[in-house]
Amino acid sequence: QQQVKQSPQSLIVQKGGISIINCAYENTAFDYFPWYQQFPGKGPALLIAIRPDVSEKKEGRFTISFNKSAKQFSLHIMDSQPGDSATYFCAAITAKDDYKLSFGAGTTVTVRA
Amino acid sequence: GAVVSQHPSRVICKSGTSVKIECRSLDFQATTMFWYRQFPKQSLMLMATSNEGSKATYEQGVEKDKFLINHASLTLSTLTVTSAHPEDSSFYICSASRHQSYNSPLHFGNGTRLTVT
Repeated sequence: QQQVKQSPQSLIVQKGGISIINCAYENTAFDYFPWYQQFPGKGPALLIAIRPDVSEKKEGRFTISFNKSAKQFSLHIMDSQPGDSATYFCAAITAKDDYKLSFGAGTTVTVRA
Repeated sequence: GAVVSQHPSRVICKSGTSVKIECRSLDFQATTMFWYRQFPKQSLMLMATSNEGSKATYEQGVEKDKFLINHASLTLSTLTVTSAHPEDSSFYICSASRHQSYNSPLHFGNGTRLTVT
C-alpha cells in the first residue's frame, strides 16, 4: 500500500509550459518531503525537498508548494524544457521509520519541443 | 560526480545461478545503505536496509534467503540474488547517505539491470 499518492501518472507539456505534479499523504509523522528525478536506466537523483513548516520552496525552475492542513504537496516545473523529460517521484520521510523513503508511484513527464 | 557507485550496470544470468551486485559509497562512510527494486514503469520498492556490521533488515514479503545482503565495510554493501529465476529480473538500485538525518540526502546508485534467462 503506497503511503504517498501521486498524480498524474503521466503528462505531456509543450516546451516553455508548466508541469504540475501532485502528491498527498496520510501519515502525519512524515516531516520531510523530497522530490526525485529519474532518467531511463539511471537511479533517482534528488531534485528539491521541503519541510512541512515551509509553504513554498523554489530552486531555479522547480518549485514545491506544501499544504500541511490538506496533507498535500506539489511540484511545479516552470518553463519546461525537453531535458526535463523524465520520471518524477515525490517521497516522504519520518525519523520514526528510520528515515526510510516512502515513494509515490511516479509521474512520467514528456516535454515536446 | 557520482557519490554512490553500483556495479555491474547490467547482468544477464541463467536461471538457477547467483548474481552479486555491489554498492559503494565513494567519498563518505555509510553505516546504512538501502536496496530497492524497480519494475518497468513502477516506483521503487524498498527491499531491505543494510547495516554495517550487523544483519540486514528486510521489508515484509522479501525473502532473506534469496536476497542476501552483506555490509562488510562502511563503504560497501552487496546484494546477492541466489538461485535466480526469470521473475527476479528487475532493476535493482542501492542508496546511501552520510548519516541518517533530514539534512543528509540519500544518494542513489545508477542501478543494475538484472535479466534472468
